[in-house]
Amino acid sequence: GDSVTQMEGPVTLSEEAFLTINCTYTATGYPSLFWYVQYPGEGLQLLLKATKADDKGSNKGFEATYRKETTSFHLEKGSVQVSDSAVYFCALEGGATNKLIFGTGTLLAVQP
Amino acid sequence: EAGVAQSPRYKIIEKRQSVAFWCNPISGHATLYWYQQILGQGPKLLIQFQNNGVVDDSQLPKDRFSAERLKGVDSTLKIQPAKLEDSAVYLCASSLAAYSPLHFGNGTRLTVT
Repeated sequence: GDSVTQMEGPVTLSEEAFLTINCTYTATGYPSLFWYVQYPGEGLQLLLKATKADDKGSNKGFEATYRKETTSFHLEKGSVQVSDSAVYFCALEGGATNKLIFGTGTLLAVQP
Repeated sequence: EAGVAQSPRYKIIEKRQSVAFWCNPISGHATLYWYQQILGQGPKLLIQFQNNGVVDDSQLPKDRFSAERLKGVDSTLKIQPAKLEDSAVYLCASSLAAYSPLHFGNGTRLTVT
């Protein structure tokens, strides 16, 4: 069935460091791919999305490119801030079941 | 616009007791979802409503979980009786329509002792 695998955390970085959080997926058809972010004490928020191969989603300095050949949607940011500390979830929608399926989440902790 | 409202924020109950969660979606959103997020896992869809009809409840443990969305607006999710493994955060989300972006509430953290 459809699934999402993302790197385990926690990921601990110093401010202004480069961030990569890996995400790979398994799905039939051509799913849409998403990154959601959950700040402490808050609900999930859509961070960015891509709906077809080679699309790049971007928001708040974060980027992710839909790579069909490697079935990946890695999240990147060139310079993280303390305020980026949160749990990041990779997700897909539109595979075999049309449900939104989440990965297990990656905790990012950015230290000043 | 006001976001998705959920209550209570926290709930602690003993196993075999009952509990209910409430969700008020964003005004005008036709689609409503309940997700279960167990610690260390990603959210899992329990049930999806389109207006007041159920679209998908394939992962809802129907022997103990029930949900309703009367009048196509507010929704309640009930667990009766609760088990230890039901300890989780229960997230409500709504969207304008199916396949529109989801807006999540802050969730209800349930602890079953």
